[in-house]
Amino acid sequence: GESVGLHLPTLSVQEGDNSIINCAYSNSASDYFIWYKQESGKGPQFIIDIRSNMDKRQGQRVTVLLNKTVKHLSLQIAATQPGDSAVYFCAEKSQGGKLIFGQGTELSVKP
Amino acid sequence: EPEVTQTPSHQVTQMGQEVILRCVPISNHLYFYWYRQILGQKVEFLVSFYNNEISEKSEIFDDQFSVERPDGSNFTLKIRSTKLEDSAMYFCASSPFLGTGEQFFGPGTRLTVL
Repeated sequence: GESVGLHLPTLSVQEGDNSIINCAYSNSASDYFIWYKQESGKGPQFIIDIRSNMDKRQGQRVTVLLNKTVKHLSLQIAATQPGDSAVYFCAEKSQGGKLIFGQGTELSVKP
Repeated sequence: EPEVTQTPSHQVTQMGQEVILRCVPISNHLYFYWYRQILGQKVEFLVSFYNNEISEKSEIFDDQFSVERPDGSNFTLKIRSTKLEDSAMYFCASSPFLGTGEQFFGPGTRLTVL
């Protein structure tokens, strides 16, 4: 079946530390994944994406890692800042274009 | 920077009433989506729309729901007879492509059914 899930519902880190948010997916045929950030009262905001022909992709302070063997995604945020506090969702894009979201991890950054 | 807009930001209605949620996607986008998020839960796909017709819909999107693109800019979601369990945030999204590439989300409409 189709499902994308997250391992931890909450993550608390100190400002300046690195954060790692994990995600598992079940559809081995999936070929495109996105991480979204959702701040309170707002819509999901794109962070970074990765195609299945890649293992790693880096953006500004963020890195996404894809392990197709174990169907696992992770989002790494370097030097986490208070503005990074939000709920983070991984999502899998289906052939038809719809996004299948995971449950979400709430990241809390302590000053 | 272009963005998806949604109105109203908050809609309160009585059970059994009809509501129309409005969205203005980004102007050169071709693919449109509605998602909903019940409080504290994940975002769930409702429907996708392309070339003036529904491309795909979820089990949630039953006969009470409909979508329309009445003109070149608006994209609406209608719920004919609202139920208590329809209370949620409803997000509109649009994208220029079907394949890879992000979907751009609006700020959402919070629907409260009393």
